[in-house]
Amino acid sequence: GQQVMQIPQYQHVQEGEDFTTYCNSSTTLSNIQWYKQRPGGHPVFLIQLVKSGEVKKQKRLTFQFGEAKKNSSLHITATQTTDVGTYFCAGNNAGNMLTFGGGTRLMVKP
Amino acid sequence: DTEVTQTPKHLVMGMTNKKSLKCEQHMGHRAMYWYKQKAKKPPELMFVYSYEKLSINESVPSRFSPECPNSSLLNLHLHALQPEDSALYLCASSQVTGTGLPQHFGDGTRLSIL
Repeated sequence: GQQVMQIPQYQHVQEGEDFTTYCNSSTTLSNIQWYKQRPGGHPVFLIQLVKSGEVKKQKRLTFQFGEAKKNSSLHITATQTTDVGTYFCAGNNAGNMLTFGGGTRLMVKP
Repeated sequence: DTEVTQTPKHLVMGMTNKKSLKCEQHMGHRAMYWYKQKAKKPPELMFVYSYEKLSINESVPSRFSPECPNSSLLNLHLHALQPEDSALYLCASSQVTGTGLPQHFGDGTRLSIL
């Protein structure tokens, strides 16, 4: 079955530093979604990427989808304490079944 | 605030008990999902309902029994659970089950099996 790997597992940054998490799928994806889960919270949808090589921005967040549609990345510029949480990528298959990556837990020191 | 409501928020039960988890959404979504999430792990899909019919069962043990009474409600009936079933149970919904539609998650029920 499909596997989605995500690195790193954890990242500690000083507030103001940049952060990147990487996602790799064992199979070509029709699209990829990104979710954020705050400590004690539930996953919240951030964005979806569909096209090969697609780049989308949301304020300080930049999302990329690889040319082969097997990898993706999320980059946060100048992290803030409000960025704390676990970021999950999720590969999407027919039937809207999501296969989540292991997640990257971001901790930001003020 | 989440538009998907789950009750109860916390549940402690013994291995011989029978209990139910409830999920409700009023967004008109016709796809609903149950996930299980262990601490520091990603959510794992358990069941998918599409137009009130079970469309996907990810080889979940029969001690978990889902039910979709109507388009707004989703239940998960629990019976004879094991300690390893302790986890956060998340309900989610999307407009339909077509690919690429965002899923809206509830806050979850934190389940502890004694």
